[in-house]
Amino acid sequence: NAGVTQTPKFQVLKTGQSMTLQCAQDMNHEYMSWYRQDPGMGLRLIHYSVGAGITDQGEVPNGYNVSRSTTEDFPLRLLSAAPSQTSVYFCASTEDRNTEAFFGQGTRLTVV
Amino acid sequence: SQKIEQNSEALNIQEGKTATLTCNYTNYSPAYLQWYRQDPGRGPVFLLLIRENEKEKRKERLKVTFDTTLKQSLFHITASQPADSATYLCALGAAGNKLTFGGGTRVLVKP
Repeated sequence: NAGVTQTPKFQVLKTGQSMTLQCAQDMNHEYMSWYRQDPGMGLRLIHYSVGAGITDQGEVPNGYNVSRSTTEDFPLRLLSAAPSQTSVYFCASTEDRNTEAFFGQGTRLTVV
Repeated sequence: SQKIEQNSEALNIQEGKTATLTCNYTNYSPAYLQWYRQDPGRGPVFLLLIRENEKEKRKERLKVTFDTTLKQSLFHITASQPADSATYLCALGAAGNKLTFGGGTRVLVKP
């Protein structure tokens, strides 16, 4: 049982490039979320989904797009990378409301 | 605006002692509160969940209290061990399963 899998683990982008961070879970969880973690700022919610075909914005959505075509996958797209998007990105899934979140190992992204 | 505060200074503690971490919040009415452990280079791992109508929760050497009047949660690690060294995050949950995280407190347990 792999849980939540994120790829890649590390990525360096040039300003203006686009890319997709992949997230997959094999627990059949309905709820999935993307967070970014910056030093001293904790985890901040970017986008989340309560089921296939349904997504919504979190606290810091600008510059990011998501889609949820299947229960298993929740990719995060950076449209035009900026240095301010240098961060560690975590994907999480939850079985139901008010239950524990399972996190992936994270993607460390550097935008130069 | 909503604010969650955890002590940003690292907590250094001797092995065997009890570590106590604080999570304070303002402008928020959470339905529940969760605590996570995060090791360097890894994702957070769930430890405990406590609901708004619960005062205390325990799991092995861990204890969490939740005071909605004081808007505060305390997280205790009893009989601490060097393996408990990590960063501990509190997270508040409301409707829709959206979690809001504090900045975390790093704990260092010295042998």
